[in-house]
Amino acid sequence: EVQLVESGGGLVQPGGSLRLSCVVSGFTFSSYCMSWVRQAPGKGLEWVANIKQDGSEKYYVDSVKGRFTISRDHAKSSLYLQMNSLRAEDTAVYYCAKIPPVSEWYFDYWGQGTLVTVSS
Amino acid sequence: SYELTQPPSVSVSPGQTASITCSGDKLGDKYACWYQQKPGQSPVLVIYEDTKRPSGIPERFSGSNSGNTATLTISGTQAMDEADYYCQAWDSSSVVFGGGTKVTVL
Repeated sequence: EVQLVESGGGLVQPGGSLRLSCVVSGFTFSSYCMSWVRQAPGKGLEWVANIKQDGSEKYYVDSVKGRFTISRDHAKSSLYLQMNSLRAEDTAVYYCAKIPPVSEWYFDYWGQGTLVTVSS
Repeated sequence: SYELTQPPSVSVSPGQTASITCSGDKLGDKYACWYQQKPGQSPVLVIYEDTKRPSGIPERFSGSNSGNTATLTISGTQAMDEADYYCQAWDSSSVVFGGGTKVTVL
């Protein structure tokens, strides 16, 4: 059974940092592109970042470029999102998601999400 | 940047057909997919590559994509189908979601 479990969310002040983690199981983590997607309270889904299987290529939505870094650790079957210089508009539930082995990007499995609140 | 547009809401009577549209420039030249999200839950993939259903998704869910519009159709809508639905495509190494459509089963 495929499982993705996020952690690391919480309350942080504007300008602060937070590191999200996503531990996966039920599939060969190193063989799949992975992603972070967020959802602000009461709002729609917003893609945040993707990382290729070997971590060599990373892609970000413009609003987080230079502030967020996606990474992965195959030994720990874990995906990470380092978030720096956080803003109120980064407040959201952050989901990690698995991308199937196809040429286009979509998400076949999602975690339960972790809530990040940026507020003073 | 690429944009996808969905109607904010769609209402349907039980047993009837609900159609949710997703519009984008030359969307038919890309693959579209659809997610269902119920309150307090994570999104679930219901259609991928325009028309394909993942394992476990009921046959009443179907999709199409042509021209500038992708459509998710729910045939014989059930009360359990009441949810938010999001379309998604990718363009220029970027993932794009539509704004979401709330389906209400009256």
